[in-house]
Amino acid sequence: DADVTQTPRNRITKTGKRIMLECSQTKGHDRMYWYRQDPGLGLRLIYYSFDVKDINKGEISDGYSVSRQAQAKFSLSLESAIPNQTALYFCATGGAINTGELFFGEGSRLTVL
Amino acid sequence: AQTVTQSQPEMSVQEAETVTLSCTYDTSESNYYLFWYKQPPSRQMILVIRQEAYKQQNATENRFSVNFQKAAKSFSLKISDSQLGDTAMYFCAYPTGANSKLTFGKGITLSVRP
Repeated sequence: DADVTQTPRNRITKTGKRIMLECSQTKGHDRMYWYRQDPGLGLRLIYYSFDVKDINKGEISDGYSVSRQAQAKFSLSLESAIPNQTALYFCATGGAINTGELFFGEGSRLTVL
Repeated sequence: AQTVTQSQPEMSVQEAETVTLSCTYDTSESNYYLFWYKQPPSRQMILVIRQEAYKQQNATENRFSVNFQKAAKSFSLKISDSQLGDTAMYFCAYPTGANSKLTFGKGITLSVRP
């Protein structure tokens, strides 16, 4: 089983719908992240969390919200999806902070029609 | 602003040959690590290699090695004896915010020709 699990793997939805992407991890890491990948733009940080009570905005947080339900769970929500939120979304966890290395889930492909 | 630049969007290499992927970065951190991640068609993000900035010796992992030039803020990835399975997108990344988060380059698509 994967250490960082994302659900759903693929999702097609319509403009205006609420969507939640879920992430769970078994690595025991405190730090968790949501990134978005678009062609030609690389990965951009949406939100990150250092523990259950600590949530931080990344560079592109507008239109998104997150919830850290437990150390192992970090979900990303799109309250009212729009077509330009069509992208590949990654959840990641961080191990030792002195390196900054991240461990990624398998990604969630979201298409907003 | 702290940035990382991968100036080549695409590269192609013949199987068994060597290819170098370039990356430059701009950081104000004094002690940091640098990373290359690989994303094959399966879309999984896989760590290829990491370099500790305070170490002068370049990191090596089997066929993968880096050419780290700290003063020039350059961190290139060399793939020797390229294999078909090396076909993927490669991202350079470095930590910002006191190593609390990773900033990624835009990536380079590498194709290995048989």
